[in-house]
Amino acid sequence: GAVVSQHPSRVICKSGTSVKIECRSLDFQATTMFWYRQFPKQSLMLMATSNEGSKATYEQGVEKDKFLINHASLTLSTLTVTSAHPEDSSFYICSADRLQTRDTQYFGPGTRLTVL
Amino acid sequence: AQSVTQLGSHVSVSEGALVLLRCNYSSSVPPYLFWYVQYPNQGLQLLLKYTTGATLVKGINGFEAEFKKSETSFHLTKPSAHMSDAAEYFCAVSGRDSSYKLIFGSGTRLLVRP
Repeated sequence: GAVVSQHPSRVICKSGTSVKIECRSLDFQATTMFWYRQFPKQSLMLMATSNEGSKATYEQGVEKDKFLINHASLTLSTLTVTSAHPEDSSFYICSADRLQTRDTQYFGPGTRLTVL
Repeated sequence: AQSVTQLGSHVSVSEGALVLLRCNYSSSVPPYLFWYVQYPNQGLQLLLKYTTGATLVKGINGFEAEFKKSETSFHLTKPSAHMSDAAEYFCAVSGRDSSYKLIFGSGTRLLVRP
């Protein structure tokens, strides 16, 4: 149990376009979903935290107008990278926790974004 | 503020040898502690966690870790390394508040030599 999926797994886009990444909890209802960014050979950095029906809480230094997060249901959160630029190229990973085990996050497989 | 330090960006061991990956944390109160493993181009998989109770925690794939409050450490060990253990390992902490945010260490890449 506690499976999280992400779609797409890889995406290549042109500079200036927007890209949407989906994160789904497949077999449980997520209380909170988290979005991370990971640069090559580096650790994960938390970008934002979101709860269903509420505005996302962004970490310091993360542009909320550039990284739009929508948490429409208890099983789906989306991250939209608006007007993408090459420096936005990265590995984006989402995670989710559930009511019964708030102290544990279950991670998706990640989305590799390449902006040309 | 909480922080996590993982000593050694790369650790190399022979197959069958002891694995020891070090993790130290900084926190005003003992946090929740986690070890995650990441295989190339994949998400993170939880190996084990410490929240309360017994300080020696056993996880999946034969790994275990011991919470030592006096040393502010949570080192990960495995008695005998297997080739399939080669991966990136992350130590993480979260506070005992309601945010459950994870703060990750810089990661340690484990290499297993045949």
